[in-house]
Amino acid sequence: EAGVTQFPSHSVIEKGQTVTLRCDPISGHDNLYWYRRVMGKEIKFLLHFVKESKQDESGMPNNRFLAERTGGTYSTLKVQPAELEDSGVYFCASSQGRLRTYFGPGTRLTVT
Amino acid sequence: TQLLEQSPQFLSIQEGENLTVYCNSSSVFSSLQWYRQEPGEGPVLLVTVVTGGEVKKLKRLTFQFGDARKDSSLHITAAQPGDTGLYLCAGGGPSGGSNYKLTFGKGTLLTVNP
Repeated sequence: EAGVTQFPSHSVIEKGQTVTLRCDPISGHDNLYWYRRVMGKEIKFLLHFVKESKQDESGMPNNRFLAERTGGTYSTLKVQPAELEDSGVYFCASSQGRLRTYFGPGTRLTVT
Repeated sequence: TQLLEQSPQFLSIQEGENLTVYCNSSSVFSSLQWYRQEPGEGPVLLVTVVTGGEVKKLKRLTFQFGDARKDSSLHITAAQPGDTGLYLCAGGGPSGGSNYKLTFGKGTLLTVNP
């Protein structure tokens, strides 16, 4: 069974540019989450999808971040325009119900 | 805001030694999970504890959830170089909730030297 996959693995962009991160959850997992780890800080929750619906987006930093999950399959997280403080590792995770959460390998975003 | 404090932040020991990592909070969590993360990979779940006072063992690893469900510990017996990695605790909740929104500690970076 394939795990959670994320693309790209690394992204380097300039301040003010736009970046879109993609996550493909484990097939059949209705729950999809985005987390972020900024250097020196803990991994923090961003948002939670149940199928295509946003269940909880309380962790989204501001309106420069837009997450979508059209069709309830893969998800994208767009940052527009990117700022220096957006640098970090963005993790996607998925789960089926309240069972185990599986994390992807992360996308390392560097904003210069 | 629920916070999880992990200690120590860094730990370097020799093969065969024992160690304990602590995870403390002023808040109550419905569950406490321990993850291990390798470089370039995402966190991988080791164990979930849900009942106050619960103890779970996974080979040489022993996990304990505090009676008040505010703290947890991970004890490794006879550490081996393969145990090297970043250990993360994460609280599930809010109380009565689940793993839907995890609160992570900063992690303990363990290095076991041969």
